[in-house]
Amino acid sequence: QSVLTQPPSASGTPGQRVAISCSGSTSNIGSITVNWYQHLPGTAPKLLIFNYNQRPAGVPDRFSGSKSGTSASLAISGLQSEDEAVYYCAAWDDSLDVWLFGGGTKLTVL
Amino acid sequence: QVQLQESGPGLVKPSQTLSLTCTMSGDSISTGSYYYNWIRQPAGKGLEWIGRVYSDGNPNYNPSLKSRVTISVDTSKNQFSLKVTSVTAADMGFYFCATEHFDWFDAWGEGILVTVSS
Repeated sequence: QSVLTQPPSASGTPGQRVAISCSGSTSNIGSITVNWYQHLPGTAPKLLIFNYNQRPAGVPDRFSGSKSGTSASLAISGLQSEDEAVYYCAAWDDSLDVWLFGGGTKLTVL
Repeated sequence: QVQLQESGPGLVKPSQTLSLTCTMSGDSISTGSYYYNWIRQPAGKGLEWIGRVYSDGNPNYNPSLKSRVTISVDTSKNQFSLKVTSVTAADMGFYFCATEHFDWFDAWGEGILVTVSS
């Protein structure tokens, strides 16, 4: 069981807005940066959001991140079929001295 | 731009040692201020951090795997490597190498599938 908790699944129709949550604790999300990765089967995970809400070059502004206390959220607006993937949150844990990943949320575009 | 490529045997016998190598191009391991990480995705599960080594060779390991894992750097070959001893079926899955320049994994290899079977 992951220390960072994500819903196992999410879904939406094209054009909709979807949000994926990631719940942690004061030793990880509450004190350290949170990052989000998009993972398609058989490919390398792709950095989507770093430092809670920063996008690397090339990531559309449809993707946004936020944090409140010990929880973080990834929002995808204007949902597209190519957004169908598994999304992971990740944070360093200061108490455990490990990188933690959430369990992953499989996003389905209906 | 940093690029990473994993290599190694895709099939390992139970109780033996899994050895993988990650070759980096686009920068030098000896001069870059990176952490070099190994991450895996066990079959049917999510991502799991195995551990990392800094460019000076100092490692950090996931406590859940620490007794069986060694991560090291070979600056002469611009590679870093992973060894996992006493493998079981629980160690099967995709293994990824990734660089960590600041506080995120910025470059990833494509991954290599490891099967544990006699």
